[in-house]
Amino acid sequence: EDQVTQSPEALRLQEGESSSLNCSYTVSGLRGLFWYRQDPGKGPEFLFTLYSAGEEKEKERLKATLTKKESFLHITAPKPEDSATYLCAVVGYGGSQGNLIFGKGTKLSVKP
Amino acid sequence: KAGVTQTPRYLIKTRGQQVTLSCSPISGHRSVSWYQQTPGQGLQFLFEYFSETQRNKGNFPGRFSGRQFSNSRSEMNVSTLELGDSALYLCASSRTADGYTFGSGTRLTVV
Repeated sequence: EDQVTQSPEALRLQEGESSSLNCSYTVSGLRGLFWYRQDPGKGPEFLFTLYSAGEEKEKERLKATLTKKESFLHITAPKPEDSATYLCAVVGYGGSQGNLIFGKGTKLSVKP
Repeated sequence: KAGVTQTPRYLIKTRGQQVTLSCSPISGHRSVSWYQQTPGQGLQFLFEYFSETQRNKGNFPGRFSGRQFSNSRSEMNVSTLELGDSALYLCASSRTADGYTFGSGTRLTVV
């Protein structure tokens, strides 16, 4: 059964304090791994798609990496506006295109 | 460009009633998926439609149903509402498996 586990559940950082969020996954043939950011009361906002082990993508203070079993979202010198819940999801070749399997998310709080 | 539009944004219903939620995907996107988000369970897949056909369905009771129209707009229906159906219902559209764009969701409260 496809499964996604994110850790930690919550993370509190001081502004400028870099850290990483973890996403461990089990999937029968990875079609894609996705990172989203979700603000309270809003829908998830797309950040990255990763397809194969060794792949990396960057956007501003965020960098996503992928191995065969997990993905990391590295946050460099975060700012208060980076506070949100970060969601990881996978799509496997065993499921249909639109069937994203989500982790429970990591709630990030960045204090000034 | 216009994003994914979900209506209504908020809804309050009584137990036993039924409800219909609407989702208009990004122009050109033929796949529409629906998800239920609750604090305890997170985001859970409900079903996916592509070219008016249901391609996949999650582990939800038959009270949850959906459909897709020829213009790719989609609706989901929940009949005989229960308190546990209170959640944020999200839809996502995609053209390929490379990216899924979510709407802002419909917050359903069952009282």
